[in-house]
Amino acid sequence: DAGVTQSPTHLIKTRGQQVTLRCSPISGHKSVSWYQQVLGQGPQFIFQYYEKEERGRGNFPDRFSARQFPNYSSELNVNALLLGDSALYLCASSSGTSGGALLDEQFFGPGTRLTVL
Amino acid sequence: AQSVTQPDIHITVSEGASLELRCNYSYGATPYLFWYVQSPGQGLQLLLKYFSGDTLVQGIKGFEAEFKRSQSSFNLRKPSVHWSDAAEYFCAVGSQGGSEKLVFGKGTKLTVNP
Repeated sequence: DAGVTQSPTHLIKTRGQQVTLRCSPISGHKSVSWYQQVLGQGPQFIFQYYEKEERGRGNFPDRFSARQFPNYSSELNVNALLLGDSALYLCASSSGTSGGALLDEQFFGPGTRLTVL
Repeated sequence: AQSVTQPDIHITVSEGASLELRCNYSYGATPYLFWYVQSPGQGLQLLLKYFSGDTLVQGIKGFEAEFKRSQSSFNLRKPSVHWSDAAEYFCAVGSQGGSEKLVFGKGTKLTVNP
C-alpha cells in the first residue's frame, strides 16, 4: 500500500508569492495534519483536519490556511511568503477511528522542501 | 502548555555500544509520549509510544523507552547500536484529546562510528 504522498518534492518561491502544497493520506485515513520543520528544529504543528473539519490549529499567522477534500486529501496554502517560511513541510495522516483525538498512530510523508528567496 | 526538551543536540557512539537519548516533557496531566526517527531526506517514522500501563515500552528496531513520571522523562534506549541507526531522533508529547497535535523536541542527531 502507498504511504502518505506529498507534492511537490521541492519548491522555490520568491518573497510575497503564494504557494500550495498537497498531501494524499494513506487510503482509508480520515485525519490529516500539517507540520513545519525549520532546519535544525523539530516539527511544529500547523493544522489538523478530520472529516473535512479543522480540529486543531497551531500558532501560525493567518497567511497559513488549509483544507481537506471529500477524498481526504489536503492542501496547505501559504500567502505572502516570507524568507522565514523556508522549511520542510510535513503531512501526516491517521485513521481517525478515535475521532481525530490522538489515539491513532500518525504516518508521515516525506515532506515538501520549500525555499523562499 | 506542553513542551519537550531534548538536552543533547548531537551524540556520537560506536557501533555495538549502548545508547540512551534523553527526553524531558512538561504537561499537566498524563501525557501521550512518542519517539520518532528521521533519516536524511525522509519523513518521520514512529519508533514507539506510551499512552498508559507498563512504563517500559518496546518499539521497533530494538528500541525501548521508559516513562518516569517523577522525573518527567521518557528516555529512549538501545542495547547495541547499528550503523543504520544513524539519524535524527525526536521526542514528542500529545494531549489526551481534542486534536492530534504533537509537540516535538528539537531533536538529537545520532552519529555512529564504525
